[in-house]
Amino acid sequence: SQQGEEDPQALSIQEGENATMNCSYKTSINNLQWYRQNSGRGLVHLILIRSNEREKHSGRLRVTLDTSKKSSSLLITASRAADTASYFCATVKAAGNKLTFGGGTRVLVKP
Amino acid sequence: DSGVTQTPKHLITATGQRVTLRCSPRSGDLSVYWYQQSLDQGLQFLIHYYNGEERAKGNILERFSAQQFPDLHSELNLSSLELGDSALYFCASSVEWGGGEETQYFGPGTRLLVL
Repeated sequence: SQQGEEDPQALSIQEGENATMNCSYKTSINNLQWYRQNSGRGLVHLILIRSNEREKHSGRLRVTLDTSKKSSSLLITASRAADTASYFCATVKAAGNKLTFGGGTRVLVKP
Repeated sequence: DSGVTQTPKHLITATGQRVTLRCSPRSGDLSVYWYQQSLDQGLQFLIHYYNGEERAKGNILERFSAQQFPDLHSELNLSSLELGDSALYFCASSVEWGGGEETQYFGPGTRLLVL
C-alpha cells in the first residue's frame, strides 16, 4: 500500500510560473525523496531530504520537510514546458532502501 | 539514460501464461529493486536483491518470483498471469544497500499487457 498522498493530483500552469505540490505520509521516515516520471518512462531521482533536514535546494527545485506534520512540499520555480511530467514523493523508513511512493502529481506546463 | 536496461520493452501475453522480465543494473551496482506501476495500485515495491541475495520483500504475489544472478542481472518471473497483472514493471539499481540514502536509478520499464 502507498505510504501517503500527494496533492494536488494534477496541476496546470503557464511557463514561467511556480509549481507547488505536497506530499503527506503516515509513518516515521529516514528520508523522503522526489522523483520525476515523463509519460510512461522510468523515474528520475530529483532530490533527497533527510528526516533531520527542513529545507533543501537543487537548481530550480526547493523541497521542504515537516516531520511533525508528516508532510513535504516540492516547489519548481520558473517552470518550463520540459518540466511537464508526473512527480512522485517516496519515503524510506529507518531500515533498508525500500521506497514507498505516493500517488503522484501530474504537472502540465503550458508554453 | 540511467544505465539500467530492461528487456523486453513491451510484452503481450494471455491469462494463465508465464513471462520473464530481465534487468541489467548499472555497471558496479550491487542492488536491484523491482517495482510495479499500475493504475489501481500506483507504484509499489516488489522485491530487493543485493549481490545475489534477497534483502526485502514488498507486495509481491506468490505467483511472482525473482532472482539475481552472479553477473548481477536480475529476472522477475510472473506466472499464472491474470488481467490485473497488466502494469509497467520497473527495475532500479543502486551501488550498495543499507542506510536508505542511496539514489536508485530506474530502468525504462517493461510494459506488460495480459489479455
